[in-house]
Amino acid sequence: DVVMTQSPLSLPVTLGQPASISCRSSQSLVYSDGNTCLDWFQQRPGQSPRRLIYKVFNRDSGVPDRFSGSGSGTDFTLKISRVEAEDVGVYYCMQDIQWPHTFGQGTKLEIK
Amino acid sequence: EVQLVESGGDLVQPGGSLRLFCAASGFTFSSYWMSWVRQAPGKGLEWVAHIKEDGSEKYYIDSVKGRFTISRDNAKNSVYLQMHSLRAEDTAVYYCAGWGLRSYWGQGTLVTVSS
Repeated sequence: DVVMTQSPLSLPVTLGQPASISCRSSQSLVYSDGNTCLDWFQQRPGQSPRRLIYKVFNRDSGVPDRFSGSGSGTDFTLKISRVEAEDVGVYYCMQDIQWPHTFGQGTKLEIK
Repeated sequence: EVQLVESGGDLVQPGGSLRLFCAASGFTFSSYWMSWVRQAPGKGLEWVAHIKEDGSEKYYIDSVKGRFTISRDNAKNSVYLQMHSLRAEDTAVYYCAGWGLRSYWGQGTLVTVSS
């Protein structure tokens, strides 16, 4: 199975400040068609997960542009340019290049 | 409005069976892969099973192979998860999720396996 490793696992951030989460995969996520199969999800407290970013850098509909994704191969980053109170929750990266699709352990973002 | 509504979760004894249901609306169900993803209490997300748009391909994680069966009925916009020989480690919230142009998730249904 592809192992997804996130860091940090806990991320205290001051409101209005930037935040960055790293995700590393145990093998390349570049598919044969050239796309890279890495998504990011947000799970707010008490809510279902919600996809924010697909294929490394594409924002889903309704996702604020303060969220951005980058990376290639096996190393990826989710950045929040200015953290807002509604961003509190757990963030997961996920690979869907091969079955089983696997998630990272999750990064818990909290406000300092 | 897109909705995925799960039901069927319950308290069941080890070795027992349950059938989970997910009713979809508000999107073209037959154009989406559908999945069940679970989350044990206080833990992260784990993909359980995945079924192609027309039901011709199905995938399971190793720990549920031979015990769980995913199926769908495109005429009813529904996806199911039949679970047998349940174990304590299957205790989790089970989410129904759709994958296509967008990603959709239900609110989850709780399965508790305990004597």
